[in-house]
Amino acid sequence: GAVVSQHPSRVICKSGTSVKIECRSLDFQATTMFWYRQFPKQSLMLMATSNEGSKATYEQGVEKDKFLINHASLTLSTLTVTSAHPEDSSFYICSARVSSGNNEQFFGPGTRLTVL
Amino acid sequence: QKEVEQNSGPLSVPEGAIASLNCTYSDRGSQSFFWYRQYSGKSPELIMSIYSNGDKEDGRFTAQLNKASQYVSLLIRDSQPSDSATYLCAVKGGYSTLTFGKGTMLLVSP
Repeated sequence: GAVVSQHPSRVICKSGTSVKIECRSLDFQATTMFWYRQFPKQSLMLMATSNEGSKATYEQGVEKDKFLINHASLTLSTLTVTSAHPEDSSFYICSARVSSGNNEQFFGPGTRLTVL
Repeated sequence: QKEVEQNSGPLSVPEGAIASLNCTYSDRGSQSFFWYRQYSGKSPELIMSIYSNGDKEDGRFTAQLNKASQYVSLLIRDSQPSDSATYLCAVKGGYSTLTFGKGTMLLVSP
């Protein structure tokens, strides 16, 4: 399958700071990337859909001014959690969709965010 | 509201047995169906995709799709302890996003 990387894998920050998470498709071009959040023992929740060169589409209830998404190239999307608070602590996972074929989605390894 | 339903489990099977995981979905327009495996603390890994009615086999895994019944399943033959994980069913309709079920936890005992 296609390879998606995420960086950093784990981050601990103080309340009020901003954290940037990078998602890269390593061996394919991804016109569309997705950002998910998963709290312990719960299912994946889609936060936003990121399309290269255009504004992200946010799911209902997700604050676009708090979760800034930039998809500047066909291989890179970034999620910035601004003014993070303890309730933002979660497992953030990106995925990238292969543009050709059957549009399968492949996930990055995830970023564990802990806000103190 | 598009919904994907899975029994949360845990589903416990002995090593070597067949594990059967089930999923139902609400959107009749759904076209693509996926099974992901997620180990604790890790991100999901795509293990099977199926797009037409019937069975699709890949190694020890068989995906089954019945669009009339809006039902998709995953069979794991010769289950191994390393198969113990949460299995997520995902469904894609006419739009680009996947809708995930909450997952079924599978426990394979040695």
